[in-house]
Amino acid sequence: DQQVKQNSPSLSVQEGRISILNCDYTNSMFDYFLWYKKYPAEGPTFLISISSIKDKNEDGRFTVFLNKSAKHLSLHIVPSQPGDSAVYFCAASDTGTASKLTFGTGTRLQVTL
Amino acid sequence: DSGVTQTPKHLITATGQRVTLRCSPRSGDLSVYWYQQSLDQGLQFLIQYYNGEERAKGNILERFSAQQFPDLHSELNLSSLELGDSALYFCASSLGAGRTEAFFGQGTRLTVV
Repeated sequence: DQQVKQNSPSLSVQEGRISILNCDYTNSMFDYFLWYKKYPAEGPTFLISISSIKDKNEDGRFTVFLNKSAKHLSLHIVPSQPGDSAVYFCAASDTGTASKLTFGTGTRLQVTL
Repeated sequence: DSGVTQTPKHLITATGQRVTLRCSPRSGDLSVYWYQQSLDQGLQFLIQYYNGEERAKGNILERFSAQQFPDLHSELNLSSLELGDSALYFCASSLGAGRTEAFFGQGTRLTVV
């Protein structure tokens, strides 16, 4: 049972444009969400997080939006840069098992020139 | 460099064998997490240790076990290996036990033949 879903395995965006990566979850107990970026042959790197008490969190070019009623979150990257090309994982946790992250299967972002 | 060190980077072994994966957390981090990433899958949480004690458990097989030593490094032991155990095994560490950002190592790629 995939509780965190990233339905787009891949996404291609031109440099300078906006990249939008989507994530859906089914567990209504999830109240903390994170995005990780992963380059080949490296471990995932934390990007940005959001608590369920907020609907938006911004950090530089990265913004995460949370729609609790739709159980949906998205990561916006503006403007996209070639160095952003990587696999992006959405992850979630709930208060009861705060340290245990449930990951999606990832979306491979390709930023083209 | 996340500061989390995993050894070995690659491991090839036969079915039925036993292997030990090692993780050194970032300096000062008390929590260690183990995740498994099979082909085209998200990261699956296996287990967490905090300051030497088991803190949270995921869907870890009985053939797998882990421990965290007094110097805070951790080992993941995989026994009676099967072909399906072939995966990337990631270790992550964090300062606290709960909802804190985790830093991932580069992973150990295990191939069971």
